[in-house]
Amino acid sequence: SAVISQKPSRDICQRGTSLTIQCQVDSQVTMMFWYRQQPGQSLTLIATANQGSEATYESGFVIDKFPISRPNLTFSTLTVSNMSPEDSSIYLCSVDRGGEQYFGPGTRLTVT
Amino acid sequence: EDQVTQSPEALRLQEGESSSLNCSYTVSGLRGLFWYRQDPGKGPEFLFTLYSAGEEKEKERLKATLTKKESFLHITAPKPEDSATYLCAVRPANFGNEKLTFGTGTRLTIIP
Repeated sequence: SAVISQKPSRDICQRGTSLTIQCQVDSQVTMMFWYRQQPGQSLTLIATANQGSEATYESGFVIDKFPISRPNLTFSTLTVSNMSPEDSSIYLCSVDRGGEQYFGPGTRLTVT
Repeated sequence: EDQVTQSPEALRLQEGESSSLNCSYTVSGLRGLFWYRQDPGKGPEFLFTLYSAGEEKEKERLKATLTKKESFLHITAPKPEDSATYLCAVRPANFGNEKLTFGTGTRLTIIP
């Protein structure tokens, strides 16, 4: 298994501002993933972050809106930039360990 | 495009009343079917990974099975603490693509 923590656990932000979400894993992993879960919907992959390389974004998500950092093998950040109310979601960090994906507790973001 | 459909959307059972949740999938080769449990306000909790048709896995009152087109999560004599949303996800066969495609989940309520 994997122990994953995220900060902040929740936040309320103003339209047009940016928020950086942190994800910390208990031990080194090659891949870290960022998902979004909009109200009443399932999880959608935003991007995959490998240490030492640029993140790979899924269709519909761009680096200018969701920049990602991966400075080492246990840590990653996701920034939600120039926020609008449509960005209100739960953002989840995930890691792959032995072919199984484990999730953090999520960051609940509300944009007003 | 990979697709996952879960049914029913919601299910209410009396305590002790066994039932099954369904996950139908379409994927270009399967390299894993995942079941998760998600409690309100929390990240998904990993339950099982199934890799090939005919495979079965069990954990307490839960048993997951897999065919070439669908998976079932059988719940035997459920208790109120089994109330949660159960998510199904698939990983395609092409190595290097670790993306999980999720269904929208089944919201299970166990009535005491």
